[in-house]
This record gives sequence, structure tokens and C-alpha cells, in this order.
Amino acid sequence: TQLLEQSPQFLSIQEGENLTVYCNSSSVFSSLQWYRQEPGEGPVLLVTVVTGGEVKKLKRLTFQFGDARKDSSLHITAAQPGDTGLYLCAGAKPGSARQLTFGSGTQLTVLP
Amino acid sequence: GAGVSQSPSNKVTEKGKDVELRCDPISGHTALYWYRQSLGQGLEFLIYFQGNSAPDKSGLPSDRFSAERTGGSVSTLTIQRTQQEDSAVYLCASSLSRGRSYNEQFFGPGTRLTVL
Repeated sequence: TQLLEQSPQFLSIQEGENLTVYCNSSSVFSSLQWYRQEPGEGPVLLVTVVTGGEVKKLKRLTFQFGDARKDSSLHITAAQPGDTGLYLCAGAKPGSARQLTFGSGTQLTVLP
Repeated sequence: GAGVSQSPSNKVTEKGKDVELRCDPISGHTALYWYRQSLGQGLEFLIYFQGNSAPDKSGLPSDRFSAERTGGSVSTLTIQRTQQEDSAVYLCASSLSRGRSYNEQFFGPGTRLTVL
């Protein structure tokens, strides 16, 4: 059972466009993290959100945690080829804080 | 300082053989995790160590899989009698354990296992 559903699974856009990636679940998470992974490497943490409704910005990336702490979104403004990669959301369930449940990932390709 | 390292980076083996994968975590990180990732997919949790003990082994897919950690540092993941469905990238991560619920996990580059 996939507890975290990510959409879209694949996304190919032109440089300069905006995009949003979604991470949804029926479960409540105590925290949610977003990672980016490039080929041949392990995932690298981008952000952690903890509070329902929380919004965090990292340069052109905006992360939001849903009010009910069941979903999250990642919005990228003016995408660049360097944003290309596999974006993964990962949630920590209450009581199992150190075990992360990962989503299936969104493969983003930004074309120059 | 050095990040998480894993060896080998690639392993090709024949069905039925045993394999051993190694993870060297970041020095001082007490928590260590093993994940499995199929091509372009998300990560499947396998096992978590706090120090040398494994409080959560729930993700190990079968009794052919085992892991140990010695000295609170290096960990090995052993797969016995490998099957073709074991082919995947095996990722190791480590983190500090300060009691927060959202410690950052630092990942190694993974070991790509191919079972022929």
C-alpha cells in the first residue's frame, strides 16, 4: 500500500515555466520532507515542514504543508534545467518519527 | 567531512548467490537506515538502527534479508540466495538522533544490485 501518492509521476516542461508537484495521503504525518535525487546519487533534503498550513520558500521553490498535515505541495517558479531530477516527498508518522514513508516520486525534466 | 559511503557501487550476481552490501555512515550519526529503490521509484524502507540495535525490522521483505551494525558505525546488509526481484538500488542513510521527529537523513550514493 502506497501511503503517499505523488502526482504527476512524470513532468517535462520548458525552461521558465512554473510547475506544482503534489504529495497526498489519507494519513496524518507529524512532519513532511521533500528530497531531490539526481541519477547515481542518493536523495538530498530540500526542506522539512512540521506545522499544518506551513509555507516555506527556498529561492524559487515554495513548499506548503496542508492544514490537516495529510498533504503537501512543491511549487517551482521559472524552472531551470538545473531543477531536473526526481522529487520525493517523505512523511514521518506520529509515533514512528524516525521511519520515513516515501512517495513514489515525480521525475521532472526541464528543457532548455 | 566525509558523507555516507557505500560499497560496492555496483554488484552483479547470479541468482542463488549471497551478497553483502556495506554502509559507512557519517561519523557521530547514531541512526542508520537501509532503503531499497526500484528504477525511478520511491524508496522502500527496509530497516533502521539506533546504535547497534534494530528496533524496527518491519521492512525486511523476507528472511533472506538481514542486517547488522557493529560499533555503532558500519552496517552490512546481507541478502541470501538472491532472486531476480532483489535487483534494485540499495540506499543507506544516517542521521543524528536528538529526539526530534524530523532529523535530516543524509544518503549515500547507493549500491546498484543486479541479479541475473
